[in-house]
Amino acid sequence: GIQVEQSPPDLILQEGANSTLRCNFSDSVNNLQWFHQNPWGQLINLFYIPSGTKQNGRLSATTVATERYSLLYISSSQTTDSGVYFCAVSGNTPLVFGKGTRLSVIA
Amino acid sequence: DAGVIQSPRHEVTEMGQEVTLRCKPISGHNSLFWYRQTMMRGLELLIYFNNNVPIDDSGMPEDRFSAKMPNASFSTLKIQPSEPRDSAVYFCASSATRGQGHYGYTFGSGTRLTVV
Repeated sequence: GIQVEQSPPDLILQEGANSTLRCNFSDSVNNLQWFHQNPWGQLINLFYIPSGTKQNGRLSATTVATERYSLLYISSSQTTDSGVYFCAVSGNTPLVFGKGTRLSVIA
Repeated sequence: DAGVIQSPRHEVTEMGQEVTLRCKPISGHNSLFWYRQTMMRGLELLIYFNNNVPIDDSGMPEDRFSAKMPNASFSTLKIQPSEPRDSAVYFCASSATRGQGHYGYTFGSGTRLTVV
């Protein structure tokens, strides 16, 4: 099945800093989503982005499907951005999740 | 839309008891998924349904686990008998399926199960 690798596994940022999270996947996909799991455990869908670039406020994402990777950019980070960021992909089977990047933003 | 609705939010039960988790998918979504999240294994798929029919239950850990989807608006995941190692957060998700692909999953808030 599809393999998903996320990096870095952990990230600590000072409030206001920018960061880039990476997701590599092993096969062609028709679905790629980025999720934020907040401290209460909720999985919040950030982007549905099997290809191309999208932006939503301070967050943006780019997927280069031909090279099998996706990037999530967080600009001007805030303490409320803390949590775990998951990349999940699927081809003709259900979403497979990476292990996540745990982000801690310090005031 | 109210999103994917799961109940209960928290469940604490004694080992050996039956546990039933419930899920209401988003109206119009024709695929439903049950995932389990643990520290050791992360987020893993247990079972998924397409048009109310179970498609792949290979992720169900044991015969103690069963899932049903009697109609397009309701699904249950049952554990009987429950064991302490079943303690985890159980998520339900739904999506619209086109052709062979599943698109735009929406997750419920999860059920945190503790078996003592």
